[in-house]
Amino acid sequence: GNSVTQMEGPVTLSEEAFLTINCTYTATGYPSLFWYVQYPGEGLQLLLKATKADDKGSNKGFEATYRKETTSFHLEKGSVQVSDSAVYFCALTGGAGGSYIPTFGRGTSLIVHP
Amino acid sequence: NAGVTQTPKFQVLKTGQSMTLQCAQDMNHNSMYWYRQDPGMGLRLIYYSASEGTTDKGEVPNGYNVSRLNKREFSLRLESAAPSQTSVYFCASTGLAGVETQYFGPGTRLLVL
Repeated sequence: GNSVTQMEGPVTLSEEAFLTINCTYTATGYPSLFWYVQYPGEGLQLLLKATKADDKGSNKGFEATYRKETTSFHLEKGSVQVSDSAVYFCALTGGAGGSYIPTFGRGTSLIVHP
Repeated sequence: NAGVTQTPKFQVLKTGQSMTLQCAQDMNHNSMYWYRQDPGMGLRLIYYSASEGTTDKGEVPNGYNVSRLNKREFSLRLESAAPSQTSVYFCASTGLAGVETQYFGPGTRLLVL
């Protein structure tokens, strides 16, 4: 079945540092890939997505590229802010089986200090 | 456009009590989901409804039941609450299951004593 593996946290950075959160997946076919963000006390919300190989999703300074050859969808941001402190979830849907059920990683907590 | 709404926001139950968590979406989505979120466990799917009139078990369905009341509403029922059901519960919906973005509600924080 499908699976998503993302780096464990917490990731602790100083403001303006470069961020990478690794995400790799296992799925057949061509799933859609997502990054969701969860701020304290809230539900998850979409950060960015990519639906085919080599697509780059981007939003709010965050980027991730769908790499079919390495089955990866790493999240990056050039300069983080305190307001980026949150939990980030990598996820996938679809693929060859056309599953109705999204597969989520366990989440990576990001803490940004001033 | 409220998106996905959940009630209640917080609830404290005693072991053995029952309750229903309500979820509604106003985006005309076909598919709806119930998850629970526990520290270190990520999101775990309890039940889902791929379309109106259908429901299926997810990863952790024991102790729960669901009803897809209509296209908008999907409720989760705990018949006899247990301390192990203390968690944060999220409802989500999507327009085209397996392809599109999931939209999440704000969550219900449940404590079972």
